[in-house]
Amino acid sequence: DTEVTQTPKHLVMGMTNKKSLKCEQHMGHRAMYWYKQKAKKPPELMFVYSYEKLSINESVPSRFSPECPNSSLLNLHLHALQPEDSALYLCASSHTPQTTGDNYGYTFGSGTRLTVV
Amino acid sequence: RKEVEQDPGPFNVPEGATVAFNCTYSNSASQSFFWYRQDCRKEPKLLMSVYSSGNEDGRFTAQLNRASQYISLLIRDSKLSDSATYLCVVNGKEWNSGGSNYKLTFGKGTLLTVNP
Repeated sequence: DTEVTQTPKHLVMGMTNKKSLKCEQHMGHRAMYWYKQKAKKPPELMFVYSYEKLSINESVPSRFSPECPNSSLLNLHLHALQPEDSALYLCASSHTPQTTGDNYGYTFGSGTRLTVV
Repeated sequence: RKEVEQDPGPFNVPEGATVAFNCTYSNSASQSFFWYRQDCRKEPKLLMSVYSSGNEDGRFTAQLNRASQYISLLIRDSKLSDSATYLCVVNGKEWNSGGSNYKLTFGKGTLLTVNP
């Protein structure tokens, strides 16, 4: 299994809703990531989990709350989002996050396209 | 200074053309380097890693010059299916108050359209 699976593929939510994005990988990767991508822009890193612990938070607003229940799963809990949070949310995984000379790269999921209304 | 800078593009080329993308990076502590391609409304997919000795995968050739902090991608005999955005990606060590971490940094991407 060489995939990162994200659900749902599309999500429309109101500004008062609470929703969660889910990500799963079974490649034995020990690092998982959340990225946000706006149209015609590169992905922007949000969070990094290394061995199931949060290792990087790129100053993301608290309305985004990540969770890593185990080494295969990564969630992103959403609450009180704003319309400008509408974007493609990408999950990725890699063998390890701090390997010198690691040339494996990251595997991305197909993303959740989020619209906040 | 932008951390990873690419040709702004877009590139429009006929089928069969050779096209080259260039990329520079500012973090001298960068350890690994990649080219990703991203189709419209899809996720980025790893095209190839880039090694110091240069590497080739079919019609694609990647080069790395660590001294100049420069990466390139050459596509020969381009196909319609090569139309996509090509992202230069660098994995480098960054330091903050909590210590150090490796982090992928993406260039803005270069849009390639191959025309029949």
